[in-house]
Amino acid sequence: DTAVSQTPKYLVTQMGNDKSIKCEQNLGHDTMYWYKQDSKKFLKIMFSYNNKELIINETVPNRFSPKSPDKAHLNLHINSLELGDSAVYFCASSQSGGVRELFFGEGSRLTVL
Amino acid sequence: QQPVQSPQAVILREGEDAVINCSSSKALYSVHWYRQKHGEAPVFLMILLKGGEQKGHEKISASFNEKKQQSSLYLTASQLSYSGTYFCGTENGGSQGNLIFGKGTKLSVKP
Repeated sequence: DTAVSQTPKYLVTQMGNDKSIKCEQNLGHDTMYWYKQDSKKFLKIMFSYNNKELIINETVPNRFSPKSPDKAHLNLHINSLELGDSAVYFCASSQSGGVRELFFGEGSRLTVL
Repeated sequence: QQPVQSPQAVILREGEDAVINCSSSKALYSVHWYRQKHGEAPVFLMILLKGGEQKGHEKISASFNEKKQQSSLYLTASQLSYSGTYFCGTENGGSQGNLIFGKGTKLSVKP
């Protein structure tokens, strides 16, 4: 069973479109995250959700909106896509307290043309 | 605040050792180490929470200095499977769970 799963794995779209990436974890963790990894491999935190509440919101454009229907899911919706949004987006989860090891999904590669 | 990792890249022969450093200008709550192989997701290696702590994972170990501002990852007798990009991730005391990653160190192990 996959611990953290993301869909789709690959996404190619045109500038200006709106797209969503879904993430689900079956680890029973209470915190989920979205990270963006650009072409230089820099891993930047975008959002985290703890018990369905947004607790971190880094300086990302408001075109990006996380949505968490329950603590096992954290979806990422992106409006009006731009060329600079091209990257690999990783979903991750962890359990607050203790080690807080991050478990990452396989990543979703977004290409904006 | 993003931690500073060094070096940016390392090339080793099998059996050689390497050290990767991660530093912050402020005391940290914790340091995490992850390894990412090409085309894959980052994978957790270890976390250090206490100043002066040392922790090992097979032939990969790490230390956290007393002031909790610097951590080093030690890879001994490197194997081909150690190749990948190593990231340190740091947490500040006021924002646990907000893991900020360094820019990564690309390690290449050659036969």
